[in-house]
This record gives sequence, C-alpha cells and structure tokens, in this order.
Amino acid sequence: GAVVSQHPSWVICKSGTSVKIECRSLDFQATTMFWYRQFPKQSLMLMATSNEGSKATYEQGVEKDKFLINHASLTLSTLTVTSAHPEDSSFYICSASDETDTQYFGPGTRLTVL
Amino acid sequence: QKEVEQNSGPLSVPEGAIASLNCTYSDRGSQSFFWYRQYSGKSPELIMSIYSNGDKEDGRFTAQLNKASQYVSLLIRDSQPSDSATYLCAVVRGSARQLTFGSGTQLTVLP
Repeated sequence: GAVVSQHPSWVICKSGTSVKIECRSLDFQATTMFWYRQFPKQSLMLMATSNEGSKATYEQGVEKDKFLINHASLTLSTLTVTSAHPEDSSFYICSASDETDTQYFGPGTRLTVL
Repeated sequence: QKEVEQNSGPLSVPEGAIASLNCTYSDRGSQSFFWYRQYSGKSPELIMSIYSNGDKEDGRFTAQLNKASQYVSLLIRDSQPSDSATYLCAVVRGSARQLTFGSGTQLTVLP
C-alpha cells in the first residue's frame, strides 16, 4: 500500500520558536496533500489543502501566516509552525491523496511547546 | 443535519463476533467513500475504499454501499481485541477532494 512518512515524529520546542514538519509520499506521486491537527479526544481538524506549486488553501480560522505550508514537489510538503506557543501543542498529521481520491495518512507529529 | 453521521457508540462486541458500523451521508452526489481505523494516539489507517453500490470484501472486512439510501457500513467478522479502535467513515467532498469525516465509532472487542 501507499506509504506516507512524516518527520519528526515528535518535537519539543520553546515558546516563540518555529518548527518545521515534513511530509513525504514515499511510493506514489500525490495529487494533493492535506494537513490536519488533532487535540486529545477530539476529531481530526483539517487545517489546509496543498497542491504542488500552488499556494495552500487554508480552512476558516487557520492563520496562514502562522502555519506556513510549502509544497515543493509531488512527494513533499512541509508545515512550519511559526512563533509557536503552548496552545499550538497538538498532534499534526499530514495525508497525501492519489488519483482515486484515497488519502493516506502519515504517522503524525506530536508537538509540545513549552 | 451533519454531512456524515455515524452511530455514536461506543460499541462493544465479544471476541469472534461480527461488529457492524454504520454511516449515513447527506450529499447525494458523493462518489467516494472510505473507512479508516484510528488507534488511540495514532494517525488514521485506511481499511477500505468503496465507490460502487454493493459489497466489497477484504479479509475480515466488508464494506457495503447503498447510494439510494445514502448509507455506508463496515462489517468486521471474527472480531479480535486488536480491532479495538475508533472507526472513521469519510466521504470525499468538493473540488479540492477533501474528506468529510464522521465523528467516529469507538469499538471495543472483549476477550
């Protein structure tokens, strides 16, 4: 099956610093990549939709200047959390979709901001 | 009405039994449907996709789709304790092909 990797799997940072999370589709070229956030015991929340070479489309309420998305190729998207604060601590998950609209999820990145 | 609704659960079944998970969706034009499994603290894992009316079987899992009734279900035969997880029904929406998820059904398989 299709494999999506994320790096790092967990990160701890100080308040005010920036954190970059990488998402790669390892064995297929993704038509679209998506970024989600999930707080404990809550549902997945879509943050943004990203296509290669285009600006990401952000969901309502998600600050595009705080959550910078770069989609450099058909297999790589990055999410940078800028000036992170404790309330940004969460589980960040990316997914990549193929030509059948099937989304394959990465293993997630657990961010803790001190 | 929510776009995607699942039976809220939690659902408990004994080991070896059939677990039945149900999902309804509101957009009659939806074409692509998925079931994901999410263990606590982990990301969702694809179990099944289904696009046509009828049944689709993969090992112990059977997905059923009825577009006229706007209904998708997942049957898990010979349930195992390792099947204990939250099961998410998802439907593709919009030109950006995003997924709309149901709220999930928490399944516990009792040994």
